[in-house]
Amino acid sequence: NAGVTQTPKFQVLKTGQSMTLQCAQDMNHEYMSWYRQDPGMGLRLIHYSVGAGITDQGEVPNGYNVSRSTTEDFPLRLLSAAPSQTSVYFCASSFDRGAEAFFGQGTRLTVV
Amino acid sequence: GENVEQHPSTLSVQEGDSAVIKCTYSDSASNYFPWYKQELGKGPQLIIDIRSNVGEKKDQRIAVTLNKTAKHFSLHITETQPEDSAVYFCAASASRGSTLGRLYFGRGTQLTVWP
Repeated sequence: NAGVTQTPKFQVLKTGQSMTLQCAQDMNHEYMSWYRQDPGMGLRLIHYSVGAGITDQGEVPNGYNVSRSTTEDFPLRLLSAAPSQTSVYFCASSFDRGAEAFFGQGTRLTVV
Repeated sequence: GENVEQHPSTLSVQEGDSAVIKCTYSDSASNYFPWYKQELGKGPQLIIDIRSNVGEKKDQRIAVTLNKTAKHFSLHITETQPEDSAVYFCAASASRGSTLGRLYFGRGTQLTVWP
């Protein structure tokens, strides 16, 4: 079982560039979410989805877009990268809201 | 929204000793409290969770206690081993309202177990 797969593992961007962080899960989970992890800040919710075609904002959504065209995939798009978006990004999925969340291995993003 | 406070931020113990990490939450609607362990370079992994209808749950060397009246919950690790060294996160989630099912995390505790 692959679980939650994130690509890439590492990425360096220049300020102003755009990119998409990929997230795929093979557990047929309805609920998926994106978090960013910064030193001393824990995990903060960026966007989440309760099923295909449905997305909503979390605590820190500015500068990010998401879409959910299939149950399996939940990509996160950075529209115009800024140094403040330097962080480690985690995708997670769960069978339902309030159920165990399974996390991917993370994407370490540096914006210079 | 929910606010989860976690203490301490760092914790060092000798192998074999016990470790306790404490969290408080603010939203009385929260009823699901998971604990995650994050090893270096990896994503968080659930180690134990508790729901508001119980006060304590154990799984081998790990236990979690919940006091709903005081809005705090704690992680207890007994007979610590070097492989317990990691960052631990508590979280809270509500079963109703506009934040249904969203996980709110504490800031994490770096646990170091010295051999």
